Amino acid sequence: GAGVSQTPSNKVTEKGKYVELRCDPISGHTALYWYRQSLGQGPEFLIYFQGTGAADDSGLPNDRFFAVRPEGSVSTLKIQRTERGDSAVYLCASSQRGGNEAFFGQGTRLTVV
Amino acid sequence: DAKTTQPNSMESNEEEPVHLPCNHSTISGTDYIHWYRQLPSQGPEYVIHGLTSNVNNRMASLAIAEDRKSSTLILHRATLRDAAVYYCILRDARYNNNDMRFGAGTRLTVKP
Repeated sequence: GAGVSQTPSNKVTEKGKYVELRCDPISGHTALYWYRQSLGQGPEFLIYFQGTGAADDSGLPNDRFFAVRPEGSVSTLKIQRTERGDSAVYLCASSQRGGNEAFFGQGTRLTVV
Repeated sequence: DAKTTQPNSMESNEEEPVHLPCNHSTISGTDYIHWYRQLPSQGPEYVIHGLTSNVNNRMASLAIAEDRKSSTLILHRATLRDAAVYYCILRDARYNNNDMRFGAGTRLTVKP
């Protein structure tokens, strides 16, 4: 596809369950970002990858959150023991190495019940 | 990233110019000023960026103060499709990509 793809678009899970959110960046983009956004607020930075490695994971709120990008392309955000406060839209973005413009996906809306 | 300050909300009439301000008094010499906007139910999209000189593109213009402590995003003729939240972000030019940290942005309402 031409843009950043995030799957699923919606996810409802029960409190305490494990979830995985997937991001397919634009082909060739080395930088990949994860954000979460609560209603009425700006996107909150979670983690940033340059290639396969996490260049900055300082935004991950606690050790229940983890993200991987094993081959430098697709990334998965993993949330363990989900809590109701994890409910939000999770956004992924990618950009070229040295590029100024980041391209965002449509997001995954996670609801923890 | 240095902090930016934007008004929470602004209103404009359709087909009139809109000036969206951003204060970044602690900007460093290597920080680029980036603007993104987020339409309802969509991810943010890039609008424009600049370092020192004013910039124009098909979407908007960016006016940067001489001391770089503030900037203004200019939409020359607002349309209903421009109703969105506009974010001003600083990114350090010393790094090949780096994290982008968003604030609360300015919610622009365009009235017909």
